[in-house]
Amino acid sequence: DAGITQSPRHKVTETGTPVTLRCHQTENHRYMYWYRQDPGHGLRLIHYSYGVKDTDKGEVSDGYSVSRSKTEDFLLTLESATSSQTSVYFCAILRDREYEQYFGPGTRLTVT
Amino acid sequence: QQQVKQSPQSLIVQKGGISIINCAYENTAFDYFPWYQQFPGKGPALLIAIRPDVSEKKEGRFTISFNKSAKQFSLHIMDSQPGDSATYFCAASTDSWGKLQFGAGTQVVVTP
Repeated sequence: DAGITQSPRHKVTETGTPVTLRCHQTENHRYMYWYRQDPGHGLRLIHYSYGVKDTDKGEVSDGYSVSRSKTEDFLLTLESATSSQTSVYFCAILRDREYEQYFGPGTRLTVT
Repeated sequence: QQQVKQSPQSLIVQKGGISIINCAYENTAFDYFPWYQQFPGKGPALLIAIRPDVSEKKEGRFTISFNKSAKQFSLHIMDSQPGDSATYFCAASTDSWGKLQFGAGTQVVVTP
């Protein structure tokens, strides 16, 4: 447990609606990540952040945006959810000294 | 295109046996190779990791073998136990940003 919480843990939403997922950490780490997990693909990086207001795209960033206004919070937004964004979303932090990445409990998102 | 290829997709092993999961990569710039264990409904948990300057790393019943020339690395679970039944992911990263490329995962079932 690296002090990471994600909210909500489960969400069902309709196509076309905006959705925001929240990741909160208590250990003040600089690097935070959003991944999505789909069968047959493992986990794929959506966006990451290397500090407050500093973010960059990962390999599957289309349709997603992020924001980080405080060190402890990293938000993932689906501006207009599509069925292809049905997935389990994981947030992660990097413990700099150890170069080890730790994951939160995940959010299961279903877009109908 | 998956940069880290993992096999097999699934594995059944008897209690006390050895589980072996293999991963191959193409990008020679990768310099950090972690393995994650994931139980249903949970986030991936870091199990063990290796860097290319060593060929083997052991932690308890878990061993990573690394073959730099073949661009392959593997996880060996010795004396497999039913509690080891989980999905295992290999991963690799290439830079200080910590962005991980994951394999597709291997579901391991240990029978009593």
